[in-house]
Amino acid sequence: GDSVTQMEGPVTLSEEAFLTINCTYTATGYPSLFWYVQYPGEGLQLLLKATKADDKGSNKGFEATYRKETTSFHLEKGSVQVSDSAVYFCALTKRDSNYQLIWGAGTKLIIKP
Amino acid sequence: EPEVTQTPSHQVTQMGQEVILRCVPISNHLYFYWYRQILGQKVEFLVSFYNNEISEKSEIFDDQFSVERPDGSNFTLKIRSTKLEDSAMYFCASSEEGQGITSGYFGPGTRLTVT
Repeated sequence: GDSVTQMEGPVTLSEEAFLTINCTYTATGYPSLFWYVQYPGEGLQLLLKATKADDKGSNKGFEATYRKETTSFHLEKGSVQVSDSAVYFCALTKRDSNYQLIWGAGTKLIIKP
Repeated sequence: EPEVTQTPSHQVTQMGQEVILRCVPISNHLYFYWYRQILGQKVEFLVSFYNNEISEKSEIFDDQFSVERPDGSNFTLKIRSTKLEDSAMYFCASSEEGQGITSGYFGPGTRLTVT
C-alpha cells in the first residue's frame, strides 16, 4: 500500500543552520504531497504542498520539490530559527483514496540559539 | 480565511463513558475526516465521510466509533464506551471535491483524556 517514510528525529541544529528533512514516498498513481508542522501544544498546520512532479511548494522560507524520479519530497530551509522548533510531518493524498492523508512518522526539529 | 473549528479543546472522561467530539467543517467542503494522534506517535486516519455516509474507515474505527453530520454544519465523532487507549488528540479535517489538492484544512484538535 501507499506509504511515507521520513528521516528519524530528533534533528538538532543551531540557529541559522541549513535544514533538510528527508521524505520519500511509495504510491501508485499521482499523489499530492504535503508538509505539515505541529508546534508544541498545537494542532496540525499545512506548511506547503505540491500536486505534480517538479512542483515546488514554499512557505515561510521552507521549500520542497516533488521529485517523481526519486519519489521524494525533502523539506529544506536555508537558515533556521529557534521558532522553527516543531514536529514536521510529510504526507500524501490521492483522489482515488478519497483524499485520505497518509502520514509519515514525523520528525522533531530542535533549534538551539 | 476559512477555518475548521473543533469543540471542546480538551475533554476528560472516565473509562466506559461516551464522548462526542464536535467539528464544524468549512461550509462549502464536501469531504470530512477524523484523524487521531496518540501522544508522541504518528497521526492515524480514522474515517472519511462523504455524501452523508462513511466512504472509508481504518481498522481503528471499530464499532465503538461512529460519525454523524446531524445538521448540515456539524460533523461529530462519537466514542460509545471509551477505553484508556482512546486517549489522544483528535483532529477533524475537511476538503473540497474536485481539486488536485484538497487537504490542508485541519481543526485545532480535541485532546481526549480517558482516566
